[in-house]
Amino acid sequence: DIVMTQSPDSLAVSLGERATINCKSSHSVLYNSNNKKYLAWYQQKSGQPPKLLIYWASARKPGVPDRFSGSGSGTDFTLTISSLQAEDVAVYYCQQYYSTPWTFGQGTKVEIK
Amino acid sequence: QVRLQESGPGLVRPSETLSLTCSVSGDSITSYYWNWIRQPPGKGLEWIGYIYHTGTNNYNPSLKSRVTMSVDTSRKQVSLHLTSVTAADTAVYYCAKVGYTTSFEAFDVWGQGTMVTVSS
Repeated sequence: DIVMTQSPDSLAVSLGERATINCKSSHSVLYNSNNKKYLAWYQQKSGQPPKLLIYWASARKPGVPDRFSGSGSGTDFTLTISSLQAEDVAVYYCQQYYSTPWTFGQGTKVEIK
Repeated sequence: QVRLQESGPGLVRPSETLSLTCSVSGDSITSYYWNWIRQPPGKGLEWIGYIYHTGTNNYNPSLKSRVTMSVDTSRKQVSLHLTSVTAADTAVYYCAKVGYTTSFEAFDVWGQGTMVTVSS
């Protein structure tokens, strides 16, 4: 199984400041034949299902605010919230869909400082 | 836009079988791969497996011996059966859709989830 490890487990950021979440995979999730990174980011607010934010490591799902961005290489990825808003308080998960069993990171809780 | 709604018993006895249904609306049930994902209270997400309308499936090896999924195209429903449950199976169970073009994609639509407690 590909193990996904996120850091930090939690972070508190002031409104309007940048939040950065890291995700490391135990195996590259870059598929060389199509140069795609099989990495997604989800946001889960309290009592709600996860919501897809980013796929292919850096493609923003339509309707997701552009303050959310994703980047990374084959094993190291980052989700950045450029200017934290109150509605961004949530747990964020990375997920690899490179190979089954598809696996998630343990989650990063983002709060307002 | 696809909408998913999970349903089933909220309480299951230990050693019995957990059975859930995901009702699909808004698009064809034959167009996508249907997944079950669970989340124990206060914990992270675990992919259980997927099923396609042809019966093609892929289950997480950690649960494979106890899991069966199926698709009823006439009712537009996807089912999950998990046998011999224990307290460790207590979780919110989500149904989620995955597209496939040249390869699998991310989980882009999720149901609201249904809480299942395993207890006597």
